[in-house]
Amino acid sequence: DARVTQTPRDKVTEMGQEVTMRCQPILGHNTVFWYRQTMMQGLELLAYFRNRAPLDDSGMPKDRFSAEMPDATLATLKIQPSEPRDSAVYFCASAGPGADTQYFGPGTRLTVL
Amino acid sequence: DQQVKQNSPSLSVQEGRISILNCDYTNSMFDYFLWYKKYPAEGPTFLISISSIKDKNEDGRFTVFLNKSAKHLSLHIVPSQPGDSAVYFCAASDSSGNTGKLIFGQGTTLQVKP
Repeated sequence: DARVTQTPRDKVTEMGQEVTMRCQPILGHNTVFWYRQTMMQGLELLAYFRNRAPLDDSGMPKDRFSAEMPDATLATLKIQPSEPRDSAVYFCASAGPGADTQYFGPGTRLTVL
Repeated sequence: DQQVKQNSPSLSVQEGRISILNCDYTNSMFDYFLWYKKYPAEGPTFLISISSIKDKNEDGRFTVFLNKSAKHLSLHIVPSQPGDSAVYFCAASDSSGNTGKLIFGQGTTLQVKP
């Protein structure tokens, strides 16, 4: 049963701390997306990668957010330093070559106090 | 600038009746549209899609209609069941760019009452 996995599922931290979220895309999928869900904005695209190369990170606050794909099985989203306004659910999604359908992970609920 | 809009934040329907969820878009370059369903504490799951070369796609109780001239799509669920209660997101892509990038609406919360 192929699925996208994300860790941690929940994270509570204090303002100023570093937060790292991890995602394992579906095996064979070559495009990985990071989204943030907020009440006001719905699902916002933060960044995405194809074949591990960043294609677009224009949705991310550059000064504090960074996204990487160290290898084909791991994508990371890091926030340093975290702020209360970063509190949201962060989703990772992956898609196969040439496919438009994205498959989402269960999300990481981040709370910054 | 919201390129994909779901203007109804919520919808309540009686079990057995039809649910109609609406979505409008502004970018005429969008040529592929999807609906996702999301339960609490889970990620969105793909439900149904439609290409711009079609005006209707049906899958069981779910039908998506596309009106390109109006830049409008809708999702019909017939008959609605309590298990359909969830947040529904519409999404659109411009596949000519080959980016795979989806633009999502803000979601509509559907409640199906028994």
